[in-house]
Amino acid sequence: AQTVTQSQPEMSVQEAETVTLSCTYDTSENNYYLFWYKQPPSRQMILVIRQEAYKQQNATENRFSVNFQKAAKSFSLKISDSQLGDTAMYFCAFMRGYGGSQGNLIFGKGTKLSVKP
Amino acid sequence: SQTIHQWPATLVQPVGSPLSLECTVEGTSNPNLYWYRQAAGRGLQLLFYSVGIGQISSEVPQNLSASRPQDRQFILSSKKLLLSDSGFYLCAWSVGTGDEQFFGPGTRLTVL
Repeated sequence: AQTVTQSQPEMSVQEAETVTLSCTYDTSENNYYLFWYKQPPSRQMILVIRQEAYKQQNATENRFSVNFQKAAKSFSLKISDSQLGDTAMYFCAFMRGYGGSQGNLIFGKGTKLSVKP
Repeated sequence: SQTIHQWPATLVQPVGSPLSLECTVEGTSNPNLYWYRQAAGRGLQLLFYSVGIGQISSEVPQNLSASRPQDRQFILSSKKLLLSDSGFYLCAWSVGTGDEQFFGPGTRLTVL
């Protein structure tokens, strides 16, 4: 079974600085997808970024980028120029690419990020 | 553009009472639909998913059931609620399997 581990329950960063959130996962699959979702205090889950396992190039989305290390099964999220609105819970998630349960997201327990003024 | 709605937003129910949470998606056809539960201080757990009308797959055996009576409607139900059913329930949709999922605003359920 696949598992997703986020080892940092809480983190804080000063506004305008850079922070990296860690995520590791365990799978025997070769074809899969990885995601970072953000859940602000409103509790709306918002997709931040998506990475296909077959792509070597790290995904980027404006101030958000990932460091995808497939061999190490690591998928960290870097937030540059942190803004107060980035304060939220961040969840790393895994999805199998084929077969039964395809499309089912497996989430980590989350990292609570606080951006301080 | 696509939107996803959930209601009610909050619900307080006594133990043993029935439950019905509704989720509807607008602006797309034949979406994959999902129900997740988020317990306090924890990540999301997939409960049910559906790839079409009347097609429901259960991920976790429990006190809940799901139905998809229409293409863009997904309902989460229970005949008798337990205290352990309390939590935040999120509905999500995707274009297909393997695609990113988009979440609704959620329903906070408290069972007393």
